[in-house]
Order: sequence, then C-alpha cells, then structure tokens
Amino acid sequence: QVQLVQSGAEVKKPGSSVKVSCKASGGTFSSYTISWVRQAPGQGLEWMGRIIPILGIANYAQKFQGRVTITADKSTSTAYMELSSLRSEDTAVYYCASSLYSGYAYNWFDPWGQGTLVTVSS
Amino acid sequence: EIVLTQSPATLSLSPGERATLSCGASQSVSSSYLAWYQQKPGLAPRLLIYDASSRATGIPDRFSGSGSGTDFTLTISRLEPEDFAVYYCQQYGSSPTFGPGTKVDIK
Repeated sequence: QVQLVQSGAEVKKPGSSVKVSCKASGGTFSSYTISWVRQAPGQGLEWMGRIIPILGIANYAQKFQGRVTITADKSTSTAYMELSSLRSEDTAVYYCASSLYSGYAYNWFDPWGQGTLVTVSS
Repeated sequence: EIVLTQSPATLSLSPGERATLSCGASQSVSSSYLAWYQQKPGLAPRLLIYDASSRATGIPDRFSGSGSGTDFTLTISRLEPEDFAVYYCQQYGSSPTFGPGTKVDIK
C-alpha cells in the first residue's frame, strides 16, 4: 500500500505563497490520484483539489480556483500543492490523500499523509 | 456542489453502547459513493467505510455503513474506548465534499 510523507510545518506572511510536498512510496504513483484536504484549527475537512499524475490533469474546488496549483513530479513520486495570496484564514493543517485512479471519477481517500501545519501570521 | 449534513453534532455514550451517526446529502449521491472517516486529535483521518457499506481493510466488524440516495448511516455496534473520536462522512460521486462531523464522546 502506498505511504504518503509530507513536508514540514511552514510559517508565512499574509500575501505570500506556500508550497507543500507529498512524497509517495510503496506503490505505483501512476495508479493513484492525490488530493489535498485542509483543516482549520478546530474545524472540519475541506477538499481543495487533486492531481491525476498519469494524465497530468488537476481539478480544483471552486472556492480555491485561481489561488491553488496542484502538480506532480512522476520521476520522484511527489505531489505538490501551492497556495498563493495567503491570509490568516488559510492557517490550517494541509493533508494529502491518495485515491485509486479510475479515470476522471473520484474515489475515497486512503491513505492520508501526516499533515503539514501552515501558519499565516504577520 | 453536494452539501452534507451530519447529526447529531455530538453523541455522548458509554463504552459498550451502540452509536448511530447520520449523514444527509442535499442531492442524491450517485452510486452510493459515500465514505466515512474517523479522526482522533492530532492525527490524520482514517478511512472506515467506502461505497456506503464496504469496510476498509483492517476495520473491525463493529463498524458498519448503510444507506443510499440522500440518507446514510454509520453504526458502531458496541463502542470500544478507542472509538471515541470525530467521524466525518464524505461524498465522491461528484467534486468531493465532507460533512461537518459528529463527535462521539464518553458519557
């Protein structure tokens, strides 16, 4: 089964960007899609978007369109999520999560990375 | 976008009791593409149920899921101490969305 390991915590200034990585191991990277889900302190889960590495195609939740970019490097089995124009409300734990590749369809998320805390503060 | 609601927000029960958690959708979830996750403080969510009623690998059989269309249920037949956590439903029939969660705490 694939395992996902994310990059470490980040502290960013408002208006800046953050890029979080998610490295997959133990599986075939092209057999999966990688989604990004965030969780603000004490709040619920929010899907941001996904990348289909085998197609190089990303889909985004409408809320984040234009502000998030999700990419994948097949040579290193690593997915990235970059969020720009950061504001204090973006302070959250950001998770990557894998799904079995089924064309353009969505699937359940399993497993998840350990999470990366992004703090936006002046 | 499909909006999911969960009830109750908090469920206070004792170990050994049965827990029934509900998840409702604003429109029909195609092909019962609904999952349930368990989350404990400081940890990532863990998949429990997918396709509304299929248990994920390694999940004890005290967890069961049911439902279709717009109404889904997660049942924990007899609560163990490690089951006290927050539970989220998620639909993936279209652009994924999550419910707000149900916290199961110790009475």
